[in-house]
Amino acid sequence: NAGVMQNPRHLVRRRGQEARLRCSPMKGHSHVYWYRQLPEEGLKFMVYLQKENIIDESGMPKERFSAEFPKEGPSILRIQQVVRGDSAAYFCASSPPDRSNEKLFFGSGTQLSVL
Amino acid sequence: KNQVEQSPQSLIILEGKNCTLQCNYTVSPFSNLRWYKQDTGRGPVSLTIMTFSENTKSNGRYTATLDADTKQSSLHITASQLSDSASYICVVIYNTNAGKSTFGDGTTLTVKP
Repeated sequence: NAGVMQNPRHLVRRRGQEARLRCSPMKGHSHVYWYRQLPEEGLKFMVYLQKENIIDESGMPKERFSAEFPKEGPSILRIQQVVRGDSAAYFCASSPPDRSNEKLFFGSGTQLSVL
Repeated sequence: KNQVEQSPQSLIILEGKNCTLQCNYTVSPFSNLRWYKQDTGRGPVSLTIMTFSENTKSNGRYTATLDADTKQSSLHITASQLSDSASYICVVIYNTNAGKSTFGDGTTLTVKP
């Protein structure tokens, strides 16, 4: 049973480009969470999704950022018109349908660097 | 406001020594508390989970305690090893169904030979 898979592992973008980060949850998991970690800082919640639904996006910037978790395929975190301040590690976590959020299984993250 | 405060921010110890990391929270209502270990460049991995009624739980050389009255938790590491060098994150879950949790900023532990 593969763990949470995130790709790419590293992503370099120039200012103004778009960044797409992918997350495939563990098999059988229907809850996905995205977190952002700035250098030397802790993980900050961004968005919580279930299949085809955004449950809580209170931690996600209102502009340029969007997330989806379609019925088929991975969850996508999309950042439009990236700026240098978007440079960070983005972690995805998943949890099973029952007792969501009690145990999160994290991916290895995507390190986004904006030039 | 739901907050999780961890201390110390960073800690350096010699291999073989013990250490204790602290976590204070103001999260309410409380569901459970988890300690995660995050190696550099990796995602966090769960070490222990503490529910409201549990005071102590061990996982190998890791022992977590919880005092729900004072809203404090600690993570004690015994006979530290070089591989214990990592960030240790305290996470308090306060609404399981809505996926609500609050993360501490972590304690960075460095174990030196």
